[in-house]
Amino acid sequence: NAGVTQTPKFQVLKTGQSMTLQCAQDMNHEYMSWYRQDPGMGLRLIHYSVGAGITDQGEVPNGYNVSRSTTEDFPLRLLSAAPSQTSVYFCASTQRGEAFFGQGTRLTVV
Amino acid sequence: SQELEQSPQSLIVQEGKNLTINCTSSKTLYGLYWYKQKYGEGLIFLMMLQKGGEEKSHEKITAKLDEKKQQSSLHITASQPSHAGIYLCGADDPFSSGSARQLTFGSGTQLTVLP
Repeated sequence: NAGVTQTPKFQVLKTGQSMTLQCAQDMNHEYMSWYRQDPGMGLRLIHYSVGAGITDQGEVPNGYNVSRSTTEDFPLRLLSAAPSQTSVYFCASTQRGEAFFGQGTRLTVV
Repeated sequence: SQELEQSPQSLIVQEGKNLTINCTSSKTLYGLYWYKQKYGEGLIFLMMLQKGGEEKSHEKITAKLDEKKQQSSLHITASQPSHAGIYLCGADDPFSSGSARQLTFGSGTQLTVLP
């Protein structure tokens, strides 16, 4: 079973560039979310979705956009990358509180 | 919003030693999850606790939930190098905004096991 698939695993961007982090799950979960992980700060919720067509902001949404056109996919877009967005990003798919995480994307913005 | 505080932030133990990691919540715990993360990898689900006094074990890892103290502890017996990694607790907040069952995470405990 694929579970949650995140791509790419690594990415280097220049300040001001835009990009999309892809996330797909094959478990038919309604709830999906994006987190960023920074040293000493644990996981912080960026955006989440409770189903296709429905998204909402988490704790640190600024600089990120999401969409949920299908149950399977939940891409995260960085509109204009900033060095402060250097982080490890995790996508998660959740059912009954148990979260299944992707392998993460290590993003560096120079 | 619910906050989770983990202690210690980092821990270095000799192989074979026992250790405990704590996770304390600022609000009532309705569901507490423990995850393990190895450097550069995703999070692996360890166990879920839902009832006060509940205790679960998997191999040499035991987790307990103290509802009154709003706290959970993760205990590793006879630690091994394979136990090294970051341990995160996550709490299920059914009353979080938007009625979405969001998980709030602690900041993690970095465990190093010396051979």
